[in-house]
Amino acid sequence: DTGVSQNPRHKITKRGQNVTFRCDPISEHNRLYWYRQTLGQGPEFLTYFQNEAQLEKSRLLSDRFSAERPKGSFSTLEIQRTEQGDSAMYLCASRSIRGAGLEKLFFGSGTQLSVL
Amino acid sequence: GNSVTQMEGPVTLSEEAFLTINCTYTATGYPSLFWYVQYPGEGLQLLLKATKADDKGSNKGFEATYRKETTSFHLEKGSVQVSDSAVYFCALSSQGAQKLVFGQGTRLTINP
Repeated sequence: DTGVSQNPRHKITKRGQNVTFRCDPISEHNRLYWYRQTLGQGPEFLTYFQNEAQLEKSRLLSDRFSAERPKGSFSTLEIQRTEQGDSAMYLCASRSIRGAGLEKLFFGSGTQLSVL
Repeated sequence: GNSVTQMEGPVTLSEEAFLTINCTYTATGYPSLFWYVQYPGEGLQLLLKATKADDKGSNKGFEATYRKETTSFHLEKGSVQVSDSAVYFCALSSQGAQKLVFGQGTRLTINP
């Protein structure tokens, strides 16, 4: 068990460019979550998957954002036409649906996005 | 909607001091309550939880009691250490919900 892995750790991009982040959850964790954390604030829920199905999306996830988990393993989060307001830490978390609930949620270290 | 309000930081204490970080919440029904900790360069880690009124969560010397009458879940530790320096987040999840709602976080610095 190597924990939740996120890549890249840091991403700097120019406004208007597209970016993609990757999350590798703990193996056999069938639920995967994305959160966004802006400076000085707590994480905000974006979306979650059970296996490959995206089951819930926040209103924060505008049309420029898309998340996928094609084979029920790793997930990608893409932001198109980035804006300066997208600058934030993007966090991924995973858990198994067997046994306990959200207390068994494991977070990655995040991808820090800076939009210039 | 559901929300969590935390004591504003940053908080700076000397080693062995008593710690309280206040957390209050707004939610319908009976949410579960959590404290998460984020050490520098690491992911969020669950510190403790409570799932019903009057439950006390505890871990690593930290404690918090679920108080429904005051809608609070204050974090306490009797004697802090330098290694407790981190950002602490209070959070809740509604019954059956899949998402956590976090407070804004409190940065704690412990000086030797």
